[in-house]
Amino acid sequence: GENVEQHPSTLSVQEGDSAVIKCTYSDSASNYFPWYKQELGKRPQLIIDIRSNVGEKKDQRIAVTLNKTAKHFSLHITETQPEDSAVYFCAASIRSGGGADGLTFGKGTHLIIQP
Amino acid sequence: EAGVVQSPRYKIIEKKQPVAFWCNPISGHNTLYWYRQNLGQGPELLIRYENEEAVDDSQLPKDRFSAERLKGVDSTLKIQPAELGDSAVYLCASSYRAGVANYGYTFGSGTRLTVV
Repeated sequence: GENVEQHPSTLSVQEGDSAVIKCTYSDSASNYFPWYKQELGKRPQLIIDIRSNVGEKKDQRIAVTLNKTAKHFSLHITETQPEDSAVYFCAASIRSGGGADGLTFGKGTHLIIQP
Repeated sequence: EAGVVQSPRYKIIEKKQPVAFWCNPISGHNTLYWYRQNLGQGPELLIRYENEEAVDDSQLPKDRFSAERLKGVDSTLKIQPAELGDSAVYLCASSYRAGVANYGYTFGSGTRLTVV
């Protein structure tokens, strides 16, 4: 099955600086890569996603890049703010008739924004 | 819209007791997922339903876990008997799948289970 590795497990950055979280996946059939933000005690919330036919996607301060050849994808947050502090999860979906099915998650990155 | 609704929000039980979780997906969503999230880890898929059919239950520990989605809407996940290692947050998610497209993948708030 699919295996998703995520690094780092903890990331501390100064407010206003950029943060980058990296993930690798094992199954070349995976075609959908979402990123979730989870605050303590709350549900995972989708913040951005990318499909395998796209190399980069941006939404305001958040961007995701995908390298299909190397099987890795990254989340980039610019101009970080205190409210960005949370645990971030990457995920991948194995193609099964197309579309996003059950997701395989990474172990998460605890992002800490230092004031 | 209420989103994906789960109950109870918290549950504390003694080991060897049974427990059940309930999930009401977003109206119109035909696909429902149960995940387990251990402390400090990402969610792990337990079972996926398309309408009332379980299309992927390969990660469900079938000796003690069972799930059903009888009318293709609400779903229950049951553990009997519960073990200490079952302590986790159980998340339900739903989406609408049409052909090769999948829309509106949304998680519920989860049920936090503590087995003592």
